Amino acid sequence: EAQVTQNPRYLITVTGKKLTVTCSQNMNHEYMSWYRQDPGLGLRQIYYSMNVEVTDKGDVPEGYKVSRKEKRNFPLILESPSPNQTSLYFCASSLSKLGNSPLHFGNGTRLTVT
Amino acid sequence: AQSVTQLGSHVSVSEGALVLLRCNYSSSVPPYLFWYVQYPNQGLQLLLKYTTGATLVKGINGFEAEFKKSETSFHLTKPSAHMSDAAEYFCAVSETNQAGTALIFGKGTTLSVSS
Repeated sequence: EAQVTQNPRYLITVTGKKLTVTCSQNMNHEYMSWYRQDPGLGLRQIYYSMNVEVTDKGDVPEGYKVSRKEKRNFPLILESPSPNQTSLYFCASSLSKLGNSPLHFGNGTRLTVT
Repeated sequence: AQSVTQLGSHVSVSEGALVLLRCNYSSSVPPYLFWYVQYPNQGLQLLLKYTTGATLVKGINGFEAEFKKSETSFHLTKPSAHMSDAAEYFCAVSETNQAGTALIFGKGTTLSVSS
């Protein structure tokens, strides 16, 4: 089944403790992206990747890192999480970077930073 | 930069009633437009998209949307609401610049359906 898989689904951590949220897609998609969803703000892009070893900042990249060493994986790293990073995170992928290529989303990771 | 405005953060309808979710965008060139739906505890799923060609686009679950360039709108409709349509709906526009392509989302509209 074609899918985007995120892990974990739920994560509670403390301020400053490094964490990684994994994302993997099995559709051989070139483009991958991370979003955060907050009430009243919709989805905001954190980082995106056009292909292996090619990443770029989205609208809200501060406090996050990403890497794209393999085409299928695009982990999101929080080196020193803070409470304002408490949010619902989504990984997404699409076949290409072209504008008409729809995004496929994972089921989300709900992160709480205390 | 392009932007998307969804009018009404909450819309409530009765089962069997018409569903109308409004979306306006700003763009200086013909855009690619999308509607996504998010059910509780799930990721977003593509409902429909407009790229080129016919301005009335049909999607899944009986939804459709019409691209109106003169009004810069892409409103989502369904003739008869079902309880299972209760979800959050996002309109999105594709933006391409020198850095690449990004999908700009509206803030979302929560649809409630009552019996």
